[in-house]
Formats: sequence, structure tokens, C-alpha cells
Amino acid sequence: GAVVSQHPSRVICKSGTSVKIECRSLDFQATTMFWYRQFPKQSLMLMATSNEGSKATYEQGVEKDKFLINHASLTLSTLTVTSAHPEDSSFYICSARRSNTEAFFGQGTRLTVV
Amino acid sequence: SQQGEEDPQALSIQEGENATMNCSYKTSINNLQWYRQNSGRGLVHLILIRSNEREKHSGRLRVTLDTSKKSSSLLITASRAADTASYFCATDHTGGFKTIFGAGTRLFVKA
Repeated sequence: GAVVSQHPSRVICKSGTSVKIECRSLDFQATTMFWYRQFPKQSLMLMATSNEGSKATYEQGVEKDKFLINHASLTLSTLTVTSAHPEDSSFYICSARRSNTEAFFGQGTRLTVV
Repeated sequence: SQQGEEDPQALSIQEGENATMNCSYKTSINNLQWYRQNSGRGLVHLILIRSNEREKHSGRLRVTLDTSKKSSSLLITASRAADTASYFCATDHTGGFKTIFGAGTRLFVKA
């Protein structure tokens, strides 16, 4: 299967700072990338869908200004958590897909805001 | 709600027994996938079944799909303690590229 790399795997930041998480498709061009959030002992909730070169589509209830998504190339999408607060602490996972194929997932980023 | 439903929410069995988990979804799909997640870790892709398939096998895993009922099941045969994990179904829906996850089943296999 295709490889999706997510970086960093863990990050601790102070309240009020911003954190950027990268998602790269290593061996294919991803027309669409997705960002998910997972709270402890819960399922993955889709936050937003990003298509290369266009604005991300956010799911209901997800703050666009809080979670900035950039999909500048066919192999890279970034999620920036702005002005992070402790309640933003969570596990964030990206996925990437070529057109009309299944999605491939990164290994996730555990964000802890202190 | 984004999520499909899975049942049971939690399942505790003895090593050697079979474990069955069920997943239901709401709208038409292109395919359905099952994932495993160990506590606090990333997802491990187990198996994908396409909407025109009814059953698929992979080692000790057997997946069924009933598109008329919008449901799928994952059977793990001869379970092992190492199978202890959370299992999620995820559906790729027609008309869009979103992958939506079910609520998950937490499986505990006792040695």
C-alpha cells in the first residue's frame, strides 16, 4: 500500500502558541487529504477535507480559524492549531488518497497543550 | 452524526474464542474498511471490501458486507491476547471522498 508520513508524532506546546502538523504522501500524489481528530477512547472524527490548491472544506462544528489547513502541493498538507488551549489536546490523524482509491493514513500526532 | 454505529462497544473473550464485531452505516458506499488501533497508537489497515463484494478473508479475519442492510461484520477466529485492541469500520461514501469511521469496538482477549 501507499505510504503517508505524518510529523511530528508527538508534540507538547504551551497554551497560546501555534503548532503545525505535516502530512506527506511519500509515493503517490494525493488529490485529497483529510484531517481527523480522536479523543481518548473515542472514534476518529473528520475535521476537514482539503484538495490541492483550493480551500479546505470543514465539517460542522470545526473552527476554520482555529484549525488552519493548507494543501499547497499534491504531496503535502499541513494542519496548524492556532492559539492552542489544553482542550485542543488530542490525537490528530491525516489521510491521503488518489482519485477514486482508498485512503491511506498517517501514524498520527499526539498533541498535548500545557 | 458522522459516525456509523458499531456493536458491541466492548467485547471481552477468552483466547481461542471467536470475536464478531458489527458495523452499520447510513448512506451508499464505494467500499468499507476495517482498522485496528492499539491504545494511543496509529491505525493498522486490516481489510477492504468493495461494495460489489459480499465476503472477504484475510488470515484469521473474515469480513462480510450486506449493502441492502448497510451493515458489515468482522470475525476474528481463534483470537489471541495480541488481538486486544480497538477495531473500527470506515466507509468511503459515494458522491464524495470522505472516509467516515464507526464508533469502534474495544476488544479484550484474555489469556
